[in-house]
Amino acid sequence: DTGVSQNPRHKITKRGQNVTFRCDPISEHNRLYWYRQTLGQGPEFLTYFQNEAQLEKSRLLSDRFSAERPKGSFSTLEIQRTEQGDSAMYLCATMTLGSSYNSPLHFGNGTRLTVT
Amino acid sequence: DQQVKQNSPSLSVQEGRISILNCDYTNSMFDYFLWYKKYPAEGPTFLISISSIKDKNEDGRFTVFLNKSAKHLSLHIVPSQPGDSAVYFCAASAWAGGSGYALNFGKGTSLLVTP
Repeated sequence: DTGVSQNPRHKITKRGQNVTFRCDPISEHNRLYWYRQTLGQGPEFLTYFQNEAQLEKSRLLSDRFSAERPKGSFSTLEIQRTEQGDSAMYLCATMTLGSSYNSPLHFGNGTRLTVT
Repeated sequence: DQQVKQNSPSLSVQEGRISILNCDYTNSMFDYFLWYKKYPAEGPTFLISISSIKDKNEDGRFTVFLNKSAKHLSLHIVPSQPGDSAVYFCAASAWAGGSGYALNFGKGTSLLVTP
């Protein structure tokens, strides 16, 4: 499977615990995005990386959230001191920034987080 | 601030008929528009896109129309098939500037195609 891979698929945690999700991109894709989707909403942009550099963060990304992409390959998204409002589907998407901007984002199947 | 709006939460169409999904946007800087399809427990899957220099793009049974003056786009599916039943998201982005090409999504329209 050469698509975007996300692990785990599901995570249930108690309020106050820390959680970490992983995204493995399509190998030649140099841009990696994290999105969050809650019930009844479309995906909302959180942050993105160009290779290993984190270039933009949404205001949705509070200081409890941190993302990394060491060596420009896989990425991790960590949420510290989880709150019930963090319950959502966390989606990773990747693309290649080439000569044409007409390249769609390719999404993984997401990690569903439930904070109890 | 919802910059991409899908005002119909759901749509039901008979198999073989045309499905028309609508989307409106408010940001005049958007220059690239996409439709994604999403099944439960899966991530969104890219369906079709259109750049602002065009007003129509067709791919098999799927056609996207863009009306820039009205800031409106639509997705036509002809003929509709039961396997098309899914949630459809409209998305838009602005290439210029420091937005990082991040996609802005609508809330989605749930399409049900009945036999």
